[in-house]
Amino acid sequence: DAKTTQPNSMESNEEEPVHLPCNHSTISGTDYIHWYRQLPSQGPEYVIHGLTSNVNNRMASLAIAEDRKSSTLILHRATLRDAAVYYCILRDYSGGSNYKLTFGKGTLLTVNP
Amino acid sequence: GAGVSQSPRYKVAKRGQDVALRCDPISGHVSLFWYQQALGQGPEFLTYFQNEAQLDKSGLPSDRFFAERPEGSVSTLKIQRTQQEDSAVYLCASSLAGTLDSPLHFGNGTRLTVT
Repeated sequence: DAKTTQPNSMESNEEEPVHLPCNHSTISGTDYIHWYRQLPSQGPEYVIHGLTSNVNNRMASLAIAEDRKSSTLILHRATLRDAAVYYCILRDYSGGSNYKLTFGKGTLLTVNP
Repeated sequence: GAGVSQSPRYKVAKRGQDVALRCDPISGHVSLFWYQQALGQGPEFLTYFQNEAQLDKSGLPSDRFFAERPEGSVSTLKIQRTQQEDSAVYLCASSLAGTLDSPLHFGNGTRLTVT
């Protein structure tokens, strides 16, 4: 599986934008970039995904570099409820019709009031 | 609407006991995944079902771990003769389709503690 590299932790202030980086220099042409987050004592929650173009949804925006070797998850106005571990994942075909997610350690985002 | 439901939420087992963990996926979801999450780590893949077929069990750590989804909906993860190293949160996820762009919906997990 192609690997991703994320900072271990980041801090932000409430109501400010947050840019969470992810490097994936060995990405292949068929890998989708997925972002999930995990709040304390909960299961991971889907945030956003993309292939080549930038994507926006109600939760966040995903900016993908032109060479696809890096991406950035953008939270436009951080709230205290956005404090979580954010996982950047490359999702590819793993055989047996399995498109599993392979999680790394993610980035722990702290939001200061 | 209802999300993925897992039960029990917490389970304490004495070493050597058998446990069964249940997952109720979102209705109509074809794909079902089980993950294991140790404290401070990201979730680790255990096994994958497409409907009732178990297509990938490469992540199951030993033959003490067994999963089934006999009717293509509810799934059970069974751990026989539990050991202390089995203590973890067990997460179930479902997705509508088994495709690269189909998001996974996770339950809140079962926290297993083996004493």
